Amino acid sequence: AQSVSQHNHHVILSEAASLELGCNYSYGGTVNLFWYVQYPGQHLQLLLKYFSGDPLVKGIKGFEAEFIKSKFSFNLRKPSVQWSDTAEYFCAVRLYNQGGKLIFGQGTELSVKP
Amino acid sequence: DGGITQSPKYLFRKEGQNVTLSCEQNLNHDAMYWYRQDPGQGLRLIYYSQIVNDFQKGDIAEGYSVSREKKESFPLTVTSAQKNPTAFYLCASSTGLAGVNNEQFFGPGTRLTVL
Repeated sequence: AQSVSQHNHHVILSEAASLELGCNYSYGGTVNLFWYVQYPGQHLQLLLKYFSGDPLVKGIKGFEAEFIKSKFSFNLRKPSVQWSDTAEYFCAVRLYNQGGKLIFGQGTELSVKP
Repeated sequence: DGGITQSPKYLFRKEGQNVTLSCEQNLNHDAMYWYRQDPGQGLRLIYYSQIVNDFQKGDIAEGYSVSREKKESFPLTVTSAQKNPTAFYLCASSTGLAGVNNEQFFGPGTRLTVL
């Protein structure tokens, strides 16, 4: 069965530290890749997405992610986190021929200390 | 103001009762989805619908039912057969066309607690 794995369940960083959250998926076909963020008390919202083309994609709020097809990975990065980045982050994969279904990772809770 | 609305925000029910969660969208999206979010498990797909009057089971459909009589509405019923219904339920929608690059938009969620 297809699955998405996020390596870290809870990450604690100080402000200005660099962030990298891992995401790996198990599916050999064409995929679309997403990172969603859920700030405390808010909607789940899209951070960035990869459909095709340049494997390095930039999203909102200074986040970026790199699609490495050979490693089935789509890691999220930010060079310098802020306290306002405290949230839960979800990686998701859409299988291209399965009607738009998203498969989500378990989520990573990020806590940024001021 | 376009978006997805879910009501109510919090819902309490007694064990053994069926309960229906509302989801409405005014984005003119064809596809709608229901997910369940549990701590440490991410979001899991319950049901989805790509077009009016049609829907498919997701990964954890047992104990749930849906209907799609109107494009803008996709209510979810949590039945008494669902063994562990207490969770946060999220509704989403997208343009829904398979093979077309699109994203899902999410509602604010309903937190259901079964006592």
